[in-house]
Amino acid sequence: DSGVTQTPKHLITATGQRVTLRCSPRSGDLSVYWYQQSLDQGLQFLIQYYNGEERAKGNILERFSAQQFPDLHSELNLSSLELGDSALYFCASSVASQASGNTIYFGEGSWLTVV
Amino acid sequence: GQSLEQPSEVTAVEGAIVQINCTYQTSGFYGLSWYQQHDGGAPTFLSYNALDGLEETGRFSSFLSRSDSYGYLLLQELQMKDSASYFCAAPREAGTALIFGKGTTLSVSS
Repeated sequence: DSGVTQTPKHLITATGQRVTLRCSPRSGDLSVYWYQQSLDQGLQFLIQYYNGEERAKGNILERFSAQQFPDLHSELNLSSLELGDSALYFCASSVASQASGNTIYFGEGSWLTVV
Repeated sequence: GQSLEQPSEVTAVEGAIVQINCTYQTSGFYGLSWYQQHDGGAPTFLSYNALDGLEETGRFSSFLSRSDSYGYLLLQELQMKDSASYFCAAPREAGTALIFGKGTTLSVSS
């Protein structure tokens, strides 16, 4: 158990809908990262927050957005869902704002299926 | 852009040694990490190299050559439970979030 908690574990929704994935980082960790994993694309970095502020942005679509709240939990909002958004979405956390030299700890992921 | 290249698949037998290579192109260098992921599970940290040379952690070792932009993960005394995907990863510019290679699927047979 990494200490990173993600909900829901599984989610099935229809195209065009909107979903919210939630992540609670490890106690004491200030950075939260979101990754998308699909079969053909590997682990794609979406976005990073540090202590409530956006720190880095990766391959995140405009239909997706995220935020980190004062209690440090984070939410990833996915809207106007398409079939291609079906993937495993991981949240990870670390103590520092920089991943270099610091282990990042992954949650168990949220499986999203868009039908 | 930034990228990490690694083989897609490697097969080996129990007790053998296997090496998984990774070549990278990053703007600046902030270290190379390795993560293991069992099917459908969470990636977990294995090893990290900031400087050239070999880092050993039990049966797993990781090597880095910054001049060659190359690293590898060495797994010794392979066990069936080592069947998993292995990812090399490096921070993006300014040492922020990790970007990952597409992963190498290791299959260990008896």
